[in-house]
Amino acid sequence: QSVLTQPPSASGTPGQRVTISCSGSSSNIESNTLNWYQQLPGAAPKLLIYTNNQRPSGVPDRFSGSKSGTSASLAISGLQSEDEADYYCAAWDDSLNGWVFGGGTKLTVL
Amino acid sequence: QVQLVESGGGVVQPGTSLRLSCVASGFSFSHYGMHWVRQAPGKGLEWVAIIWSDGSNKYYADSVKGRFTISRDNSKYTSYLQMNSLRADDTAVYYCARPDYCSATKCPPGDYWGQGTLVSVYS
Repeated sequence: QSVLTQPPSASGTPGQRVTISCSGSSSNIESNTLNWYQQLPGAAPKLLIYTNNQRPSGVPDRFSGSKSGTSASLAISGLQSEDEADYYCAAWDDSLNGWVFGGGTKLTVL
Repeated sequence: QVQLVESGGGVVQPGTSLRLSCVASGFSFSHYGMHWVRQAPGKGLEWVAIIWSDGSNKYYADSVKGRFTISRDNSKYTSYLQMNSLRADDTAVYYCARPDYCSATKCPPGDYWGQGTLVSVYS
């Protein structure tokens, strides 16, 4: 059971907009910044969003993040086939004194 | 270019020990902390430990606390993960990752990850 809760799966058709949620608590998401990772099949994770809504250089602006209270979400607009991957949220947890990941969401592009 | 290369994985029996290494290149190693993150077969990501740039602070996931020790040798551009009393549920690919984009003192696994090294614990 992960400290951060994500839906196990999500799907959309090319060109659509999809969102992936991440739910936590006052000790992690509410009091610290939230980060998102993309993991393509067979590859190492890649940082997609940091500090709630910032994109590292090279990440398309189709990817956006938001946070409110104890929840956060990742939005992907103009969905493409290459977006099919696993997505994870992560935050520091003040009670655990460590980083926590969500269980991951498998995104399928139909 | 920045590179992180893990090594030291293998097949071991429960109760034994293993030491993983993460060799960095392409950046000033002593200026950055280092994370270890693992992923069990077919499962999600699990953060394992972090060590600060000068080794002054170390934090661990509860699942490994007291069994795993993170360390570093800045002269060798290398971080280590000493894993003792290994259990079957420690079976995973272990990644090292450079922290980036700090918020206050909290620096998440960032832009650079290694390719991972597989640890299999079987009796």
